[in-house]
Amino acid sequence: EVQLVESGGGLVQPGGSLRLSCAASGFTLSSYWMHWVRQAPGKGLVWVSRSNADGSNSIYADSVKGRFTISRDNARNTVFLQMSSLRDEDTAVYYCTRSHYYDTSLLEYWGQGALVTVSS
Amino acid sequence: DIVMTQTPLSSPVTLGQPASISCRSSQSLVHSDGNTYLSWLQQRPGQPPRLLIYKISNRVSGVPDRFSGSGAGTDFTLKITRVEAEDVGVYYCMQTTQFPRTFGRGTKVEIE
Repeated sequence: EVQLVESGGGLVQPGGSLRLSCAASGFTLSSYWMHWVRQAPGKGLVWVSRSNADGSNSIYADSVKGRFTISRDNARNTVFLQMSSLRDEDTAVYYCTRSHYYDTSLLEYWGQGALVTVSS
Repeated sequence: DIVMTQTPLSSPVTLGQPASISCRSSQSLVHSDGNTYLSWLQQRPGQPPRLLIYKISNRVSGVPDRFSGSGAGTDFTLKITRVEAEDVGVYYCMQTTQFPRTFGRGTKVEIE
């Protein structure tokens, strides 16, 4: 059974940093693209970042470019999102999602999410 | 960036009656490989999103056949033939033709 479990969320002050983790199980992480998608309280979904299967290529939304870094440790089956220079508007639930093996356009599996609150 | 516009934003529906959600993209979602990467996701209250339909009309395994997707180019529709109580939630269209991936604002389906 595919499982994605996010951790590392919490309360952080503006300008601070936080690292989210996504523990993957039930599949071989090194074969899949992984994404982060966020959802501000009461709002819609916003795509944040994507890592290709071996971690050699990453793409970011303009709103987080230069502040967030996606990475992965395929040996430990974990994906990370390092967030720095955090702003109030980064407050959201952050979901880790996995693409389909053959059709990378599909965001096939989603974790339960980790809440990040940026506030002084 | 491709802007995804959903209508309506809210859809009160009677149990057993149909529901329809429209999604329009600001540019064609036809990829250079010939595919159109338009997906629909469902988010039930308190739950993470769930992929329902991909490439316009392909249902994910386990999705009831009362859900169907259609459309082409820039105009797409999600239809629920007979709404059931478990269908309550917010539905999002999403384009994965190009980066950044973008979502519609969501349509809330609720029972009236």
